[in-house]
Amino acid sequence: NAGVTQTPKFQVLKTGQSMTLQCAQDMNHEYMSWYRQDPGMGLRLIHYSVGAGITDQGEVPNGYNVSRSTTEDFPLRLLSAAPSQTSVYFCASSYSRREVSDTQYFGPGTRLTVL
Amino acid sequence: SQQGEEDPQALSIQEGENATMNCSYKTSINNLQWYRQNSGRGLVHLILIRSNEREKHSGRLRVTLDTSKKSSSLLITASRAADTASYFCATSGGSYIPTFGRGTSLIVHP
Repeated sequence: NAGVTQTPKFQVLKTGQSMTLQCAQDMNHEYMSWYRQDPGMGLRLIHYSVGAGITDQGEVPNGYNVSRSTTEDFPLRLLSAAPSQTSVYFCASSYSRREVSDTQYFGPGTRLTVL
Repeated sequence: SQQGEEDPQALSIQEGENATMNCSYKTSINNLQWYRQNSGRGLVHLILIRSNEREKHSGRLRVTLDTSKKSSSLLITASRAADTASYFCATSGGSYIPTFGRGTSLIVHP
């Protein structure tokens, strides 16, 4: 299994540009989520999905869109990039968020810089 | 807002010493997990402790949970240089969506 994969690894955007961060998992996990990690802030939840066709907002959803058309893929779209979105983005998945003993598996991250 | 808060923010020790880091949280939880993050990498799950458990062990890791004090501790015994990383606690409440703290940065000097 490849686990959780993210592309690209690095990206530089100009203010106002849009782009999609890709995330895929091959573990047949129900639950997928996107976090951003900023220095001194830890990880903050952007959006999450409990299954194909179901998404919901996390702590910091503004400026981001998600969709979940398949179990495997959970792309994150930046609609109009702003410098405040400069961050490292992590995708994570777990078998089911309702299992008390569930472990989250993280991708390697995408480092995004918005100029 | 973050639920768990790790303490200390940074910890520097010599190889062979024990490292202890703490996590405090505000509301009741179903479980608490500890993760490690090496520089430039994603997070890796270390251990999960349920709200009805008080202590768990995994290799050189020992985690305790005190729900009355709303706190947990992670002990790494006989630290190695390879343990140098950031350590995060993540708490899950009624929604089972984990919320991460800001992390403790551990440096183990060889």
